[in-house]
Amino acid sequence: EAQVTQNPRYLITVTGKKLTVTCSQNMNHEYMSWYRQDPGLGLRQIYYSMNVEVTDKGDVPEGYKVSRKEKRNFPLILESPSPNQTSLYFCASSSSLRADTQYFGPGTRLTVL
Amino acid sequence: QQPVQSPQAVILREGEDAVINCSSSKALYSVHWYRQKHGEAPVFLMILLKGGEQKGHEKISASFNEKKQQSSLYLTASQLSYSGTYFCGTDYRGNTGKLIFGQGTTLQVKP
Repeated sequence: EAQVTQNPRYLITVTGKKLTVTCSQNMNHEYMSWYRQDPGLGLRQIYYSMNVEVTDKGDVPEGYKVSRKEKRNFPLILESPSPNQTSLYFCASSSSLRADTQYFGPGTRLTVL
Repeated sequence: QQPVQSPQAVILREGEDAVINCSSSKALYSVHWYRQKHGEAPVFLMILLKGGEQKGHEKISASFNEKKQQSSLYLTASQLSYSGTYFCGTDYRGNTGKLIFGQGTTLQVKP
């Protein structure tokens, strides 16, 4: 089954404790992206990747890192999480953002205390 | 830079029509439309490209007016399953991967 998976789905952590949210897709997509969703603000893009080893900043990259060493994986790293990073995070992938469906993962709900 | 969606919320009866607008202050290369049901991930509806044709998906269609820098989503003869939050995502530079989403329009369809 074609899908985007994220782990963990729920996470409660404390300020400053490094964490990684994994994202994996099995559709051989070149494009992957991370978004955060907060009430009243819609979806905001954090980072995106057009292909392996190619990443770029979205609208709200501060406090986040990403890497794209393999085509299928695009982990999101929070080196020193803060309470303002409490949010719902979505990973997404597409074969081509220009003309094709962007598939979203199920989301990761992160709470930073 | 974030596109503005209107209305913010709309309540319909089954069978009624609705229009959701997405307006930008900058020239658009493409507009993406998504629907998100409560507690679920967004689901892609369609993409409209600069110079492209109006798109359709079941009873949901959309248009893209490049001069007005605006896209509209049309929901015809709405069904209960159309309830959710609709987002437009805008691409200003063309195939760079950067998408900026509007704040969303909540649609509730009642029996």
